[in-house]
Amino acid sequence: QKEVEQNSGPLSVPEGAIASLNCTYSDRGSQSFFWYRQYSGKSPELIMFIYSNGDKEDGRFTAQLNKASQYVSLLIRDSQPSDSATYLCAGDTGRRALTFGSGTRLQVQP
Amino acid sequence: KAGVTQTPRYLIKTRGQQVTLSCSPISGHRSVSWYQQTPGQGLQFLFEYFSETQRNKGNFPGRFSGRQFSNSRSEMNVSTLELGDSALYLCASSAGLAGDNEQFFGPGTRLTVL
Repeated sequence: QKEVEQNSGPLSVPEGAIASLNCTYSDRGSQSFFWYRQYSGKSPELIMFIYSNGDKEDGRFTAQLNKASQYVSLLIRDSQPSDSATYLCAGDTGRRALTFGSGTRLQVQP
Repeated sequence: KAGVTQTPRYLIKTRGQQVTLSCSPISGHRSVSWYQQTPGQGLQFLFEYFSETQRNKGNFPGRFSGRQFSNSRSEMNVSTLELGDSALYLCASSAGLAGDNEQFFGPGTRLTVL
C-alpha cells in the first residue's frame, strides 16, 4: 500500500463546476501536506500547502485537512479548462522528503 | 525573483555511462531536494541537501549521489547507468528552515538511457 493514495481519475467536471480532489495518507507522522499541479510535459507547480486541521482558502482553491481521518482534499471552484492537469498530493513528516501520491488527472470540459 | 534552474534539460546516455545533473535554487534558498519521476513509480524522493550537507536520503542505490556547493547550487550524479534510470529528474528548492518547507520545483532534466 502506498503511503499517499489518490484516485488516478480522470475526474471530469464541466466548466464552472467545483472539482473535488481527494487524498488519503497512512503515515501519522506526516505534518504538512502539499498540492501540486502538473501539466503534461511540465514540472509540478505548488498550489497550496496545509498543516492544520480544517480549511485553508486561496482564491479559487480550498485545501482541507482531517488528521483524525488521515484525509486531505483540494476543492477548485469555478473550474476552468486551463485547470485540466494532473494534481499531486504530497505529505511531509518534517524531513523535507515529500511522499507523493500517483496523482489525479482532472479534465474540465468547456 | 528567478526560479529554480536545471541543466541540462535533456540528456541521452548509454548503459554503463555516468551523468551529472545541475540545479540552482531560488536565490536565498539553502535547501535542495532531488526527485525522480517515472510513469511507473511516480515521484520519488532521492535526497536533500542543506548548507552543503546531506540531511535526508531516500531509498535509492548508492549509484545515485549528490553534493551541494557553498552557493547552494547542487549536483546529482548517477553512475553505471541502467535502462531503468530513464526518468525526469527534478530538483526542488526551499528555504530549508523549520516550519518553512514549501518546495518549488525546477523544470527538470529528462534523462534517456539507451
